[in-house]
Amino acid sequence: QITLKESGPTLVKPTQTLTLTCTFSGFSLTTSGVGVGWIRQPPGKALEWLALIYWDNDKRYSPSLKSRLTITKDTSKNQVVLKMTNMDTVDTATYYCAHEPTMIQGAFDYWGQGTLVTVPS
Amino acid sequence: QSALTQPPSASGSPGQSVTISCTGTSSDVGGYNYVSWYQQHPGKAPKLMIYEVSKRPSGVPDRFSGSKSGNTASLTVSGLQAEDEADYYCTSYGGSNIYVFGTGTKVTVL
Repeated sequence: QITLKESGPTLVKPTQTLTLTCTFSGFSLTTSGVGVGWIRQPPGKALEWLALIYWDNDKRYSPSLKSRLTITKDTSKNQVVLKMTNMDTVDTATYYCAHEPTMIQGAFDYWGQGTLVTVPS
Repeated sequence: QSALTQPPSASGSPGQSVTISCTGTSSDVGGYNYVSWYQQHPGKAPKLMIYEVSKRPSGVPDRFSGSKSGNTASLTVSGLQAEDEADYYCTSYGGSNIYVFGTGTKVTVL
């Protein structure tokens, strides 16, 4: 059974760096083709794809946020970490991590419950 | 990379069908067969309903179907049920190793 869970601060001040951790179980990020991605959703708004890391350490970023994002993995801990620098009020959102299975490109079949991050004005 | 365009809302009566469009460009929807659809109920994480344009994950009812023509992908929900009332999002591979989501559609079961 695959599960993912996001953790990190619920409140981040403007200009600070956000660090979110996705801890997962039921799969290994050493398995060929597997990926873990991050997606966010501002309150009442649409989903936005942020970043993705694959089993072979291939990393992909949203072009509009690439300069602010860093995604890494720790396979020994079954964790993926997303860092976002220079946080702003517009970054207030629920942040999800999700599993991309082998052989299915661009589709996330398991999601975490999400974690709400607020950047106050 | 701009978000894919979806109608803000769609509706239908129980038992009817509703079709949601997802319009992109030849650089994303039209260029690749990597279109997925997600269902999201309020306060919940998204659920994968369709991947690679028309494939259904195990456990998704066959009332849900996907297709694509040119730069527009579509999700059809047949035999609408009350539990189908939710927000639906499409997503597509956008080339250059990135993905893009749609603007979202709220489906209401009348």
